[in-house]
Amino acid sequence: EDQVTQSPEALRLQEGESSSLNCSYTVSGLRGLFWYRQDPGKGPEFLFTLYSAGEEKEKERLKATLTKKESFLHITAPKPEDSATYLCAVWGGSARQLTFGSGTQLTVLP
Amino acid sequence: NAGVTQTPKFQVLKTGQSMTLQCAQDMNHNSMYWYRQDPGMGLRLIYYSASEGTTDKGEVPNGYNVSRLNKREFSLRLESAAPSQTSVYFCASTGVYEQYFGPGTRLTVT
Repeated sequence: EDQVTQSPEALRLQEGESSSLNCSYTVSGLRGLFWYRQDPGKGPEFLFTLYSAGEEKEKERLKATLTKKESFLHITAPKPEDSATYLCAVWGGSARQLTFGSGTQLTVLP
Repeated sequence: NAGVTQTPKFQVLKTGQSMTLQCAQDMNHNSMYWYRQDPGMGLRLIYYSASEGTTDKGEVPNGYNVSRLNKREFSLRLESAAPSQTSVYFCASTGVYEQYFGPGTRLTVT
């Protein structure tokens, strides 16, 4: 059974204070690892897909990296508008759908 | 290109009432999904449809039925609503592996 654990559950940063969110996973034959952003009252918004260990992707202040056991979402010099819940999900080889983690709620204070 | 749309946005039901949540996508995706999201529980899959004419149960299917009306539309029906079905419901469709979500339906059952 595929499993995804995200940490920390909540993170408060000052504007400009860089940090990382963690997504640990166990899966049989990873087909993809996904990061989403979710704002209050809205649906998850797709950010990145990572397919293999060593892969990295960037978008503005966000950078996602992948190893064989975990993924990190690095946030560089965050701004208050980066405040949201960040969700991680995996698609395993034997699965027919995504398995989601519970998310990290990020608050960036001005 | 609207992506994934859902109706209604909000709904209040009394225990025992029935209703149908509607979902449509305009991205020509084969696979569509229904999730519920509850505090502390993350996103849980209710039903999915890998292609037009097929549906399969997810993690929490009890109390729900689905219909894949055509390639664009996938509806979720609550035959006899219960307070335990109070939740936010998201529809999603899948491209290669990444899923695109609708804005959600916030359902309260009293």
